[in-house]
Amino acid sequence: DVKVTQSSRYLVKRTGEKVFLECVQDMDHENMFWYRQDPGLGLRLIYFSYDVKMKEKGDIPEGYSVSREKKERFSLILESASTNQTSMYLCASSFLQRDLNTEAFFGQGTRLTVV
Amino acid sequence: AQSVTQLDSHVSVSEGTPVLLRCNYSSSYSPSLFWYVQHPNKGLQLLLKYTSAATLVKGINGFEAEFKKSETSFHLTKPSAHMSDAAEYFCVVSVTGGYNKLIFGAGTRLAVHP
Repeated sequence: DVKVTQSSRYLVKRTGEKVFLECVQDMDHENMFWYRQDPGLGLRLIYFSYDVKMKEKGDIPEGYSVSREKKERFSLILESASTNQTSMYLCASSFLQRDLNTEAFFGQGTRLTVV
Repeated sequence: AQSVTQLDSHVSVSEGTPVLLRCNYSSSYSPSLFWYVQHPNKGLQLLLKYTSAATLVKGINGFEAEFKKSETSFHLTKPSAHMSDAAEYFCVVSVTGGYNKLIFGAGTRLAVHP
């Protein structure tokens, strides 16, 4: 079974803290994604990466950064957490090439609360 | 630019009646389209996907979707709803021409009543 594992299910952080969300996949996927999910807004793409050390901004990158030092690991960083970043964060991975079964596999999500 | 629009934010059906969740897409290219389901406090699970092999796509748990290019639609259906179908459903398009980035619709919450 494909596994996308997020390091925490629930996190509570204080305003101004630096927050790291970690994601690991075991399918040798080139693509990895970070989304946030808010009621009524669906999933919005924060950042994605198609290769080690490569990253592309998604639709809502402000206030976030990412790191991909190894193919299997993709980290989302909140440099200075704010209350409006309270949300559910979902990590996903997929193959890069369209022909290679491009469905994405998702982790269980991290519910982050910033107080 | 690719996008998807889910036409209903909430759908409510009785158990045993048909389910219809509507999705329209916008794409300059031949799209890859997906339906994902999210049960409460769970991650997203793939229901089915369209990748141009057949216009009627069958998925898990009795769901199916029909790709209609002329209507730019990819509606999700099920003949008979079950209580366990209550969840949030997302229509998704894969952005072509690069990295297979996924664009999500806003979601449709399906409620199933006894």
